[in-house]
Amino acid sequence: DAKTTQPNSMESNEEEPVHLPCNHSTISGTDYIHWYRQLPSQGPEYVIHGLTSNVNNRMASLAIAEDRKSSTLILHRATLRDAAVYYCILSLLNSGNTPLVFGKGTRLSVIA
Amino acid sequence: EPEVTQTPSHQVTQMGQEVILRCVPISNHLYFYWYRQILGQKVEFLVSFYNNEISEKSEIFDDQFSVERPDGSNFTLKIRSTKLEDSAMYFCASRYGRIANTGELFFGEGSRLTVL
Repeated sequence: DAKTTQPNSMESNEEEPVHLPCNHSTISGTDYIHWYRQLPSQGPEYVIHGLTSNVNNRMASLAIAEDRKSSTLILHRATLRDAAVYYCILSLLNSGNTPLVFGKGTRLSVIA
Repeated sequence: EPEVTQTPSHQVTQMGQEVILRCVPISNHLYFYWYRQILGQKVEFLVSFYNNEISEKSEIFDDQFSVERPDGSNFTLKIRSTKLEDSAMYFCASRYGRIANTGELFFGEGSRLTVL
């Protein structure tokens, strides 16, 4: 399985943008890039996913490097509620029922 | 908004006892999963289920574990003889279609299992 590397922790000030990096240098052409987050005492929650192009949704933006060896999750204005562990995960294009495998993720702290 | 629901939210049991954790996935979803998270550790995959059979399972999912979808709505995880190391938060998840089409895996709030 292609692996991802994320910083253990990051800190941000409230209402400022946050850029969460993920390295996936062994990604294959058919791997999707997923981001999930886990708020304290809750189950993981989908954030965004993409293949090659940058993606935007109501929660965040995903910027994917041209060579796809890295990506960045962008929270445009961090709030206290965004404090969570953020996971960057790869999965095959047509993985069917192949499960998502969570790593240790990045623990984001948001300071008021 | 549709959600995955899990019961019980917390169960305390004695070592060696059987435990059943229940999940109601989102109604039109087709793929079902159980994950667990030991306190302070990462979320670990246990088993995936599709078309009424196990698709994939991890090394953690040994003979003490079983899953079933008894009535088309519930999805259960049974631990036959609990061990201390089974103490964890157990998450159920479901998905409608393939990753390429939908991407989103919906998780429940979890069932905390404490084995004494």
